[in-house]
Amino acid sequence: EVQLVESGGVVVQPGGSLRLSCAASGFTFDDYAMHWVRQAPGKGLEWVSLVNWDGSNTYYADSVKGRFTISRDNSKNSLYLQTNSLSAEDTALYYCAKDSNSLGYYGMDVWGQGTTVTVSS
Amino acid sequence: QSVLTQPPSASGTPGQRVTISCSGSSSNIGSNTVNWYQQLPGMAPKLLIYRNNQRPSGVPDRFSGSKSGTSASLAIIGLQSEDEADYYCAAWDDRLNGYVFGTGTKVTVL
Repeated sequence: EVQLVESGGVVVQPGGSLRLSCAASGFTFDDYAMHWVRQAPGKGLEWVSLVNWDGSNTYYADSVKGRFTISRDNSKNSLYLQTNSLSAEDTALYYCAKDSNSLGYYGMDVWGQGTTVTVSS
Repeated sequence: QSVLTQPPSASGTPGQRVTISCSGSSSNIGSNTVNWYQQLPGMAPKLLIYRNNQRPSGVPDRFSGSKSGTSASLAIIGLQSEDEADYYCAAWDDRLNGYVFGTGTKVTVL
């Protein structure tokens, strides 16, 4: 069974940093691109970032560019999101999602259950 | 903000047909394939339609997708109570060099 399990979400102060993780199982991790998608409370889905199958190409939404860094460790079947300079606007449920393709242009076909990041003083 | 525009809500009685539109531009829907996602209350999104009109295994055939030019549509033919959810279209955007979601449509079964 394909499974994605996110972790690392906590309450953090404005300006703080956080590293989110996603553990993947049930598929050949290094065959697929991976995404982070977030959803603020009561709001719609917002794509955050994408990394291709080998980590050589990364893409970011303008809202997080320069503050967030996506990475992956294929030897550990894991995806990461380093988040810096957090503000209240970053408060959201963060989902890890698998793409249906190695490059990442075809969209997410499997989603985790999410991890909650709350930015508050 | 979202670059794909959807109506905020849609509704119908059981058995009716409901259609949700998704309007984009030449840099996203006009040049890339469209996916649709269903998000049931309190749950993670689920892939409903991929590559414009393909259904993943397990998705009922009452769900169908189509694309024409810079717009796409999701149809639910024979609405059921368990279809009450939020629906999002999505596509890669060549100009933004990123993935974009629609504004979302809440479907209510009357």
